Amino acid sequence: DTAVSQTPKYLVTQMGNDKSIKCEQNLGHDTMYWYKQDSKKFLKIMFSYNNKELIINETVPNRFSPKSPDKAHLNLHINSLELGDSAVYFCASSQIVLGGDTQYFGPGTRLTVL
Amino acid sequence: GQSLEQPSEVTAVEGAIVQINCTYQTSGFYGLSWYQQHDGGAPTFLSYNALDGLEETGRFSSFLSRSDSYGYLLLQELQMKDSASYFCAVSAASGGSYIPTFGRGTSLIVHP
Repeated sequence: DTAVSQTPKYLVTQMGNDKSIKCEQNLGHDTMYWYKQDSKKFLKIMFSYNNKELIINETVPNRFSPKSPDKAHLNLHINSLELGDSAVYFCASSQIVLGGDTQYFGPGTRLTVL
Repeated sequence: GQSLEQPSEVTAVEGAIVQINCTYQTSGFYGLSWYQQHDGGAPTFLSYNALDGLEETGRFSSFLSRSDSYGYLLLQELQMKDSASYFCAVSAASGGSYIPTFGRGTSLIVHP
């Protein structure tokens, strides 16, 4: 069974479109994240949800809106896509124990904006 | 905020030992993690240090010195499959939550 899954794996779209990426984890973790990895492999956190509540919202354009229908799902909706949004988006989950949080990453969604 | 420094690239030969260093600046530090990412793949967890000292997991070991804000990942008996990017990451508390911050990654190239 896949621990953290994302769909779609690849997403090619035109500038100005709206798209969504879905993420699901079956690990029973309380916390889920969205990361953006650019072409230089810089992995930057975008959002974090704990038990469906937003706890981290880094400096991200408000065109990006996360939604967590339950603690096993964290979806990412992007409005008015721009060329600079092209990147790999990773979903992750973790269970914070004894001050540590091991992140379990999904396979990633490679977004290309034309 | 948090910042981490690690070398951008390290090269070594099969069978050798390589050390990837990571220095960090952060407040509310809880621990230092290491992740491996192969090209086209997702980051996968390797190790976590919350206390000073060495943690060993097979061929990989990780070290932390909280007083020096420094850690390293040690890879022994290098294999070609170890060619990948390695990220250090700090867990830090902020406003009642944990904020994970990743370094920019070290590309390890293993030659035959």
